[in-house]
Amino acid sequence: AQTVTQSQPEMSVQEAETVTLSCTYDTSESDYYLFWYKQPPSRQMILVIRQEAYKQQNATENRFSVNFQKAAKSFSLKISDSQLGDAAMYFCAYRRRVQGAQKLVFGQGTRLTINP
Amino acid sequence: NAGVMQNPRHLVRRRGQEARLRCSPMKGHSHVYWYRQLPEEGLKFMVYLQKENIIDESGMPKERFSAEFPKEGPSILRIQQVVRGDSAAYFCASSPPPFLLAPWTSFYGYTFGSGTRLTVV
Repeated sequence: AQTVTQSQPEMSVQEAETVTLSCTYDTSESDYYLFWYKQPPSRQMILVIRQEAYKQQNATENRFSVNFQKAAKSFSLKISDSQLGDAAMYFCAYRRRVQGAQKLVFGQGTRLTINP
Repeated sequence: NAGVMQNPRHLVRRRGQEARLRCSPMKGHSHVYWYRQLPEEGLKFMVYLQKENIIDESGMPKERFSAEFPKEGPSILRIQQVVRGDSAAYFCASSPPPFLLAPWTSFYGYTFGSGTRLTVV
């Protein structure tokens, strides 16, 4: 079974600084997706960024980028120029890349605080 | 185009009562997924359904929990004889049919609702 581990329960960063959230996963599959979701106090799950395992290039979405290390099974999220609105729980998630495999496996989450 | 609608947003039940949680998928989405989030934890998969069919219920507790997605109407997650340990946020997500989520297409069709927070007193 696949597992996802986020070893940082809480992180904090000064506004406008850069922060990196860690995620490791365990799988015997060679092809899969990885995701970062943001959950603000409203509880809404918001997709931040995704990565296909077959792609070597790290995904980037504006201020959000990932460092995907397939051999190490590591998938960290970097947030540049942190803003107050980035404060939230962040979840790393995994999904197998086969048709019909729809469920996501989530990590425990990292609570990110932005200090003004 | 409304997103995934869950209701109620908050639900309080006494121990032993039944809880019914509803999820209306996005228009055009025929597949529904239920997840449970215990306090200070990540979301855990419970069940995956399409209309009138359960595809994967590997995450559902064996007793007291059931889910359905009828031909008409919302998907329902039903918890019988609730206990304090059932207190959690329950999330629903929906997606188009799997062939539209094939590897060469966008995965952005998988959309979450805002969840129902169940409190058992």
